[in-house]
Amino acid sequence: QQQVKQSPQSLIVQKGGISIINCAYENTAFDYFPWYQQFPGKGPALLIAIRPDVSEKKEGRFTISFNKSAKQFSLHIMDSQPGDSATYFCASSSGGSNYKLTFGKGTLLTVNP
Amino acid sequence: DAGITQSPRHKVTETGTPVTLRCHQTENHRYMYWYRQDPGHGLRLIHYSYGVKDTDKGEVSDGYSVSRSKTEDFLLTLESATSSQTSVYFCAIGEGASEKLFFGSGTQLSVL
Repeated sequence: QQQVKQSPQSLIVQKGGISIINCAYENTAFDYFPWYQQFPGKGPALLIAIRPDVSEKKEGRFTISFNKSAKQFSLHIMDSQPGDSATYFCASSSGGSNYKLTFGKGTLLTVNP
Repeated sequence: DAGITQSPRHKVTETGTPVTLRCHQTENHRYMYWYRQDPGHGLRLIHYSYGVKDTDKGEVSDGYSVSRSKTEDFLLTLESATSSQTSVYFCAIGEGASEKLFFGSGTQLSVL
């Protein structure tokens, strides 16, 4: 049972372009939506996260857009750079004492110079 | 990597042998997790712990067991390794309240 569906699987963008990765979730109890970035040979690292009380969050060139009614959220990378080339994972979780994240399958982003 | 050490970093073993992976943290975080990462599947939760001797199953727990006798150590055991358990295994830690997870560098396990 896949509770978080991520698309596309891979994405190629030119330097300076906008990268957009989408995720859809099923569990309406989810209340925390982070994005993780993973470089080859490394563990994932938190990039940016949002809660459903806001529709957008921006940190530098990275923006999360959140649509609660559609149960969708997306990551936008403005002015994409070759150094942004990595695998990106969306994730979702619900609160409670036994906290755990459910991840999407990942998107391999390649930014060409 | 946020005070997380996974060992070994690489391991090759044979089908049917027991394997134990270790995760050690120096952050005193309450929550510890074991994920596996496979092409086309992303990161899937195997087991997690919310305190010493408090563990629970994730979505792909069959064939795996865990133990946490100390706050800083979380062990993942494959009782009888199978080829389907060839994967990259990541340990993660979190404090819960912040919901931010910190991942280790991973263990590449090959079961032949």
